[in-house]
Amino acid sequence: SQQGEEDPQALSIQEGENATMNCSYKTSINNLQWYRQNSGRGLVHLILIRSNEREKHSGRLRVTLDTSKKSSSLLITASRAADTASYFCATEETSGSRLTFGEGTQLTVNP
Amino acid sequence: NAGVMQNPRHLVRRRGQEARLRCSPMKGHSHVYWYRQLPEEGLKFMVYLQKENIIDESGMPKERFSAEFPKEGPSILRIQQVVRGDSAAYFCASSPRGRASGYSYNEQFFGPGTRLTVL
Repeated sequence: SQQGEEDPQALSIQEGENATMNCSYKTSINNLQWYRQNSGRGLVHLILIRSNEREKHSGRLRVTLDTSKKSSSLLITASRAADTASYFCATEETSGSRLTFGEGTQLTVNP
Repeated sequence: NAGVMQNPRHLVRRRGQEARLRCSPMKGHSHVYWYRQLPEEGLKFMVYLQKENIIDESGMPKERFSAEFPKEGPSILRIQQVVRGDSAAYFCASSPRGRASGYSYNEQFFGPGTRLTVL
């Protein structure tokens, strides 16, 4: 397994439903970040949660972090068709400044 | 304040040619990161630079790839003698500060990417 693995790889839901994506990692981290990428586009930073935080909210986004299990979850509530995108978690390890990305979860929200 | 700029947005090269990708960080940012994204995969770190210095190039292939961030001008990622396997999206990110500054986290701002296609 590699650092920053997302689960599931693909998720398809109906508009209005909640979407939950999970991320696992292996090393000690300073923070964990979630990004969104529309097909063929750049990355949009969604939310950052620090290693000493357990939960964070931003609009319809809720992120949790469990450092004992080395895992994080991203919850999108009341999903919209416009939320359709790939979602990546990225960890900043304590050993350096670079980000290590997972392979992403492809979310499809059907209208 | 313009975001991170990358050019060109799309680049087509034939095998054996050279590819030069440019990244202009956000104003006031002196730290630049390059990442590569192969189709259907996540981003993979390549290199981290500060002005005139390479800080971490552990993700960069040992041959054909080089990067620089001169005192003046954009950061350049250079790929010599490109092969089909180099076809990917290359993203640049910048941040205003690094670990040594004492800040507890490092927020990176990403550019739109350059999509390289090698024929």
